[in-house]
Amino acid sequence: AQTVTQSQPEMSVQEAETVTLSCTYDTSENNYYLFWYKQPPSRQMILVIRQEAYKQQNATENRFSVNFQKAAKSFSLKISDSQLGDTAMYFCAFRPGNTDKLIFGTGTRLQVFP
Amino acid sequence: NAGVTQTPKFRILKIGQSMTLQCTQDMNHNYMYWYRQDPGMGLKLIYYSVGAGITDKGEVPNGYNVSRSTTEDFPLRLELAAPSQTSVYFCASSYSQASYEQYFGPGTRLTVT
Repeated sequence: AQTVTQSQPEMSVQEAETVTLSCTYDTSENNYYLFWYKQPPSRQMILVIRQEAYKQQNATENRFSVNFQKAAKSFSLKISDSQLGDTAMYFCAFRPGNTDKLIFGTGTRLQVFP
Repeated sequence: NAGVTQTPKFRILKIGQSMTLQCTQDMNHNYMYWYRQDPGMGLKLIYYSVGAGITDKGEVPNGYNVSRSTTEDFPLRLELAAPSQTSVYFCASSYSQASYEQYFGPGTRLTVT
């Protein structure tokens, strides 16, 4: 079975600092996609960043970047220059390449404090 | 574009009651999905649809039904509400299987007592 594990239920970081959220996954597939979604208190799910498994280069979106280690099946999210608006639940998600179904981890609650 | 809209935002049901959660998207997306999110958990797929007239079960379909008569609408039906169905329900859509992103609605918080 394909699973996604986020081992950090809660994290906190001071404004302007850097924080890394961990995610590991289990699959026998070679073609797949990985995502980080942000869920602020408003509940709206917002895509933060995505990574295609066939790409060796780590994805980057402004202050957000990933460390994708395919052999280790690890997909961590780094948030640089943390802002108060980054306070949210962050979900790691996996999608096999032959389907459009997303498999979510249990989430990490990130608190950014002044 | 309004994106993905869901109604109602909140609802309290008594055990055994029925209701329909509405979901509409105006992006002409082929694929639509229903997820539930239990407290402290990630989202789990209930049902999905790859186009009008086609639906399929996800990971947790028991106690739910769906229909897809149009591209825009994908309602989720609860026939006999049970406390175990207390959750937040999210509808999402995406253009095609090749599309990377699923766009989510704002969610419906349902409590069954």
